[in-house]
Amino acid sequence: AQSVTQLGSHVSVSEGALVLLRCNYSSSVPPYLFWYVQYPNQGLQLLLKYTSAATLVKGINGFEAEFKKSETSFHLTKPSAHMSDAAEYFCAVSDQRNGNKLVFGAGTILRVKS
Amino acid sequence: DTAVSQTPKYLVTQMGNDKSIKCEQNLGHDTMYWYKQDSKKFLKIMFSYNNKELIINETVPNRFSPKSPDKAHLNLHINSLELGDSAVYFCASSQDLLGEQYFGPGTRLTVT
Repeated sequence: AQSVTQLGSHVSVSEGALVLLRCNYSSSVPPYLFWYVQYPNQGLQLLLKYTSAATLVKGINGFEAEFKKSETSFHLTKPSAHMSDAAEYFCAVSDQRNGNKLVFGAGTILRVKS
Repeated sequence: DTAVSQTPKYLVTQMGNDKSIKCEQNLGHDTMYWYKQDSKKFLKIMFSYNNKELIINETVPNRFSPKSPDKAHLNLHINSLELGDSAVYFCASSQDLLGEQYFGPGTRLTVT
């Protein structure tokens, strides 16, 4: 079965600092991996996805993530945090053999301090 | 134009009632999903449909019954509501069984 672990339920950074949100996955087949962002009282917005092409994936709002098979990781980064980045971030792996269902991590709340 | 829409946005009801949540997508996608987000923000899939055919039924009580009248709609009917059904329910769609999923704004269900 596939699973996702997000290290750190809360991350706090200063405005302008590097953002690093950690995600490790478990999958018996080559994974498709995703990062979604959820702003308060809103739905989930796709930030970026990895689907076995380039290992460094660029997404919206200046975010990127690197797929590292040897470390089973797909960490999300952004060089310089903005106040508007404050939200909850979810890493997910899709099970292509089982109806494309998304298996989500527990989420990481990002706080950006001024 | 909203890609994936849900109605209602908020739903407050009493235990034992029956309620429905509607979902529509205007993306021309073949596959639709229902996810439940509990009070701890944990997201878990409930159902998926591909071309109106049930693909995933993820150990959900049979009080929950999805219905897909056409590819653009996937409704969720819940019978005999219980306190534990209180959650935010998200609908999503994807082009097919391989594509990335686009989520609706969610329906916050509160059972009292």
